[in-house]
Amino acid sequence: IVLTQSPDTLSLSPGERATLSCRVSETINGQYLAWYQQKPGQAPKLLIYGTFNRAAGIPDRFSGSGSGTDFTLTFSRLEPEDFAVYHCQQYEDSPSFGQGTRLEIK
Amino acid sequence: EVQLVESGGGLIQPGGSLRLSCAASGVTVSTNYISWVRQAPGRGLEWVSVIYSDGSTYYADSAKGRFTISRDNSKNCVYLQMNSLRAEDTAIYYCAREDRSQGTFDMWGPGTRVTVSS
Repeated sequence: IVLTQSPDTLSLSPGERATLSCRVSETINGQYLAWYQQKPGQAPKLLIYGTFNRAAGIPDRFSGSGSGTDFTLTFSRLEPEDFAVYHCQQYEDSPSFGQGTRLEIK
Repeated sequence: EVQLVESGGGLIQPGGSLRLSCAASGVTVSTNYISWVRQAPGRGLEWVSVIYSDGSTYYADSAKGRFTISRDNSKNCVYLQMNSLRAEDTAIYYCAREDRSQGTFDMWGPGTRVTVSS
């Protein structure tokens, strides 16, 4: 199963709303779609699982949505610490990840 | 402290072998699912292999026949033996715990860097 994220890079300012996309090559159960945040020099960190469930300690400005083949990670209002790389992952089959979207400060 | 810590990375020539270790503390490897996930320079994440609590093992196609995952319960450690290394195996290798009910990776080590080059 191949995951394609868009855009590759998104340039925005703190306080703005952001939407990241993850398209899956075949329909998956939304129960098996997750999002991770990765900052430079660090390991990924689980943000969202089961399409819309926030992991422990993740603030509610992060939200996930979608179904079938199209999934979205939304930031209601960007904070300075949100600028990082975001990866989507499916785990319906052997785990696979998207190529990542870099969210950078404009 | 609950953590995973990888070691064993380094510079290795093509065709060589390397064994990575993932030492766990605060989490018992024998009762968890532990995976290796790698990230090539400037690239996305790639799942490599997993060892389940029952000892069964699975591999990505890129690792089959060359890599072997194992664990030592007495040392609370998981290993990745990598043979016949290629330039395309160059990456940061992370060990990660897989949440059995969700299938997500909820705990990660800081990673160890493997460079395959002559």
